[in-house]
Amino acid sequence: KAGVTQTPRYLIKTRGQQVTLSCSPISGHRSVSWYQQTPGQGLQFLFEYFSETQRNKGNFPGRFSGRQFSNSRSEMNVSTLELGDSALYLCASGSNTEAFFGQGTRLTVV
Amino acid sequence: GQNIDQPTEMTATEGAIVQINCTYQTSGFNGLFWYQQHAGEAPTFLSYNVLDGLEEKGRFSSFLSRSKGYSYLLLKELQMKDSASYLCAVRRAAGNKLTFGGGTRVLVKP
Repeated sequence: KAGVTQTPRYLIKTRGQQVTLSCSPISGHRSVSWYQQTPGQGLQFLFEYFSETQRNKGNFPGRFSGRQFSNSRSEMNVSTLELGDSALYLCASGSNTEAFFGQGTRLTVV
Repeated sequence: GQNIDQPTEMTATEGAIVQINCTYQTSGFNGLFWYQQHAGEAPTFLSYNVLDGLEEKGRFSSFLSRSKGYSYLLLKELQMKDSASYLCAVRRAAGNKLTFGGGTRVLVKP
């Protein structure tokens, strides 16, 4: 059974640009959550999608958005990138009793 | 409240036992997760507790007391490869929004 797959693994973007990250969950998992991890703030919840609907949302500005497709794959988008958006972006797919993370996308904004 | 508290760092000797405590606000509790994260890697799922008591998985065990808002992760027969950060995360409502503690960095010495 394949794990959670995130692409790309690494990205370098310039301030003001936008970026789209992709996450393919474990087969059969309909819930996909996104997190941002930085040394200063730790792991912070961005949003969760379930059956193509946003089910939970964290406290991030509207520049951070996401969506989920009918095959459960999810994308998150960050517009007008800022230096502070440099982080490891993790997606997790899960059920009621487990949540597995992908390898993450390391975004560097210069 | 969202506070999830864990010690910042712990040191233990190879072959010994270490207990990592996690305390949280009890309101709206819907499950507690433990993860292991090696430097530069994604978190790896270790355990899930939603009922009081001890869950054992090989060298790792996790305990939960819902009334006290308290959990611990017990690592037995420590190995050098267990040197990592250990993250406690609480789910409060329906869905898979996890709120993470700051993590406990465990250093295993020979």
